[in-house]
Amino acid sequence: DIQLTQSPSSLPASVGDRVTITCRASQDISNYLAWYQQKPGKAPKFLLSVASRLESGVPSRFSGSGSGTDYTLTISSLQPEDFATYYCQQYYSRPSTFGQGTKVEIK
Amino acid sequence: EVHLLESGGGLVQPGGSLRLSCAASGFSFSTYTMNWVRQAPGKGLEWVSGISGTGGATYYADSVKGRFTISRDNSKNTLYLQMNSLRVEDTAVYYCAKDHCSSNTCSFDYWGQGTLVTVSS
Repeated sequence: DIQLTQSPSSLPASVGDRVTITCRASQDISNYLAWYQQKPGKAPKFLLSVASRLESGVPSRFSGSGSGTDYTLTISSLQPEDFATYYCQQYYSRPSTFGQGTKVEIK
Repeated sequence: EVHLLESGGGLVQPGGSLRLSCAASGFSFSTYTMNWVRQAPGKGLEWVSGISGTGGATYYADSVKGRFTISRDNSKNTLYLQMNSLRVEDTAVYYCAKDHCSSNTCSFDYWGQGTLVTVSS
């Protein structure tokens, strides 16, 4: 199975900060990477697919980049509603796997 | 509008069985692979199982293979997960999730609100 390692696990930040989360795969996943946002007690929300495609309705302050084994999710200017846990997911091969999550919390 | 609504969770003893359901609406259900993803308390997301649009192909995580069975009824727009020989480590919120595309593997664009399964004596 392909392993995904996210860093950091916890990210203290303030409103207005630029925030970057990294997701590293154990092998080349050819941009078959998605990002999700999850708030406590809620289902995950789909943010981006194929590493950089922003889904409909997702604010443009979110962006994704990367290739091969290394990918990033960037929030250009953190808003109060962005404090949450973020997960990456690879769907290059079955079984699909998720990173362990990055919690963006108030500094 | 796409809507996924899980039901069937609850408290069950180790070794017991439970069947989860996920009622879908707002899209062409039979076109898309559907999935179950779980999240143990305070932990991350784990894909559990998936089933193709026709139901002809099923996929399982090693952790549930041989114990769980995924199925679907396209006439009722409903996804199921039959869980047998349940273990304490199966305790989690179970989400149903729709594939984003109709390719072989895909991300998940819509998720239900989840149903909690607790395995405990």
